[in-house]
Amino acid sequence: EAGVTQFPSHSVIEKGQTVTLRCDPISGHDNLYWYRRVMGKEIKFLLHFVKESKQDESGMPNNRFLAERTGGTYSTLKVQPAELEDSGVYFCASSQDAKSRNEQFFGPGTRLTVL
Amino acid sequence: SQKIEQNSEALNIQEGKTATLTCNYTNYSPAYLQWYRQDPGRGPVFLLLIRENEKEKRKERLKVTFDTTLKQSLFHITASQPADSATYLCASRAGGYNKLIFGAGTRLAVHP
Repeated sequence: EAGVTQFPSHSVIEKGQTVTLRCDPISGHDNLYWYRRVMGKEIKFLLHFVKESKQDESGMPNNRFLAERTGGTYSTLKVQPAELEDSGVYFCASSQDAKSRNEQFFGPGTRLTVL
Repeated sequence: SQKIEQNSEALNIQEGKTATLTCNYTNYSPAYLQWYRQDPGRGPVFLLLIRENEKEKRKERLKVTFDTTLKQSLFHITASQPADSATYLCASRAGGYNKLIFGAGTRLAVHP
């Protein structure tokens, strides 16, 4: 069974540019999550999709971040325009049943560097 | 606000010894706690989940305890091996939502 995949693995952009991160969850997982870890801090929640609907986007830092999950399969996270403080590792995770058990399967992450 | 705290200092132990990592939570009462392992350049990997009504959970060389009085979970690795060297993260669901909140993680180094 393929795990959660993320693309790209690394991205280096300049301040003001746009970057789009992609996440492919495990097949059949309705729940998809985005998290972020900035340097020296803990992993923090960004948002949660159930199929194509945003269930919880309370962790999105501001309106420069836009997440989509058209068709309820893969998801994209766009940062536009990117700022220096957006640098960090962005993780995507998916889970099957969000009610009784919350084991989440994480992708390898996308390391974003904003110069 | 809900918070999970882990000892940010690295834990260095000798191969064969038992490693014990601590996770403390404040300002809420999680229904369960999870432990994840993270290796450099990789995402967290789920290890164990323990519910609030379970005092102890075991899986092979791993043991997790949950003390709701102390608001603490302990994670033990017995007969530790160099391959156990990694960062270990404590996490729980925040409130009624499915998002996880994480501690900062404790880096474990097992020396031969």
